[in-house]
Amino acid sequence: GAGVSQSPRYKVAKRGQDVALRCDPISGHVSLFWYQQALGQGPEFLTYFQNEAQLDKSGLPSDRFFAERPEGSVSTLKIQRTQQEDSAVYLCASSSTFSSSYEQYFGPGTRLTVT
Amino acid sequence: AQSVTQLDSQVPVFEEAPVELRCNYSSSVSVYLFWYVQYPNQGLQLLLKYLSGSTLVESINGFEAEFNKSQTSFHLRKPSVHISDTAEYFCAVSNSGYSTLTFGKGTMLLVSP
Repeated sequence: GAGVSQSPRYKVAKRGQDVALRCDPISGHVSLFWYQQALGQGPEFLTYFQNEAQLDKSGLPSDRFFAERPEGSVSTLKIQRTQQEDSAVYLCASSSTFSSSYEQYFGPGTRLTVT
Repeated sequence: AQSVTQLDSQVPVFEEAPVELRCNYSSSVSVYLFWYVQYPNQGLQLLLKYLSGSTLVESINGFEAEFNKSQTSFHLRKPSVHISDTAEYFCAVSNSGYSTLTFGKGTMLLVSP
């Protein structure tokens, strides 16, 4: 079956531009997570949704970052007025609360480069 | 707050040699522990996990990890590595099954012939 998909896979933005990153989770997965992975680092948590409710956004680095999941499936991470320090791979993961495996399934990521 | 330390950023090893990738964590509550693997140009995949019960957990491709509560460690081992094991390995911790993961910085395993 289809896994988690993300688009675009690569995005180059000029400093100050707004970007929108899309995540399509596995169908039926209730939980959705966004992580940021800087070069040479492990993924770091940004925000978490359960269905359409954003239950935790403590990892968002600034108010320029905004995430939504209006219908409880597809999610969009938006970054306004991009800065060079926003350059990273943005990972989306989904999981099912009905499974006891506790596994988060990751998408391939979107590599954002801010020039 | 939780944290994960992977002291080795890179581990070079010859094919068929044993390997151990170290992971230490800190947490004030009970933890669930995970190892994820990232092959070149691919997304993160779960390799194995410790939730409860037996402290030794195994993956289908020969890796194993042992949860050691007293040493707060969850080291990953394989008795004989293959070229195809070349990848980056991330240790992660969460304080419940469905909560966010805290990752280490990763260890790049480089297997050469």
